[in-house]
Amino acid sequence: DAGVTQSPTHLIKTRGQHVTLRCSPISGHKSVSWYQQVLGQGPQFIFQYYEKEERGRGNFPDRFSARQFPNYSSELNVNALLLGDSALYLCASRLMFGTANEKLFFGSGTQLSVL
Amino acid sequence: AQKITQTQPGMFVQEKEAVTLDCTYDTSDQSYGLFWYKQPSSGEMIFLIYQGSYDEQNATEGRYSLNFQKARKSANLVISASQLGDSAMYFCAMSSARQLTFGSGTQLTVLP
Repeated sequence: DAGVTQSPTHLIKTRGQHVTLRCSPISGHKSVSWYQQVLGQGPQFIFQYYEKEERGRGNFPDRFSARQFPNYSSELNVNALLLGDSALYLCASRLMFGTANEKLFFGSGTQLSVL
Repeated sequence: AQKITQTQPGMFVQEKEAVTLDCTYDTSDQSYGLFWYKQPSSGEMIFLIYQGSYDEQNATEGRYSLNFQKARKSANLVISASQLGDSAMYFCAMSSARQLTFGSGTQLTVLP
């Protein structure tokens, strides 16, 4: 079975541009989360989606948005890119929503570089 | 708010020896989960082990065990018989229904 897949693996953008990152969860998983990992730090929570609805949002500006599709795949969009948006963006999936004891399965991430 | 603290930025261990990676946490929740993930240079976060806040026994997964001391709010990872392939970044994380909160990580290097 395929794990969590993310595309693209690497991306280079310039300041002010827009970017879209994509994620496909493990088959059967209905919840997708996005995390930002700046070099040298632990991942920071951006969004969680479950059944196509936003169920949680971290402390990120409105330039960051996301959505989940009927097949449970997800997109993360970032507008007006800043240099500080350069990071590894990780997608994670889990079966359900609402329980603290369910582990998240992560993809390999998209490395975004903003020049 | 949940907080995870990992005080060891880097650790070295000799191959075949055991190593303990420290993790302390802070939360006002009664129900929570504690996780350890491994992140090799490829970037993927690999699940290692999980401990629930109500679990009375320490979790074990192969060479990994979690030393859970609830009163001290600590959840240390013990890796037995270290292997060269264990060299990676290790993150402790705490879960709520919505998200994982990660610590800053410990870079483990296994020496031959």
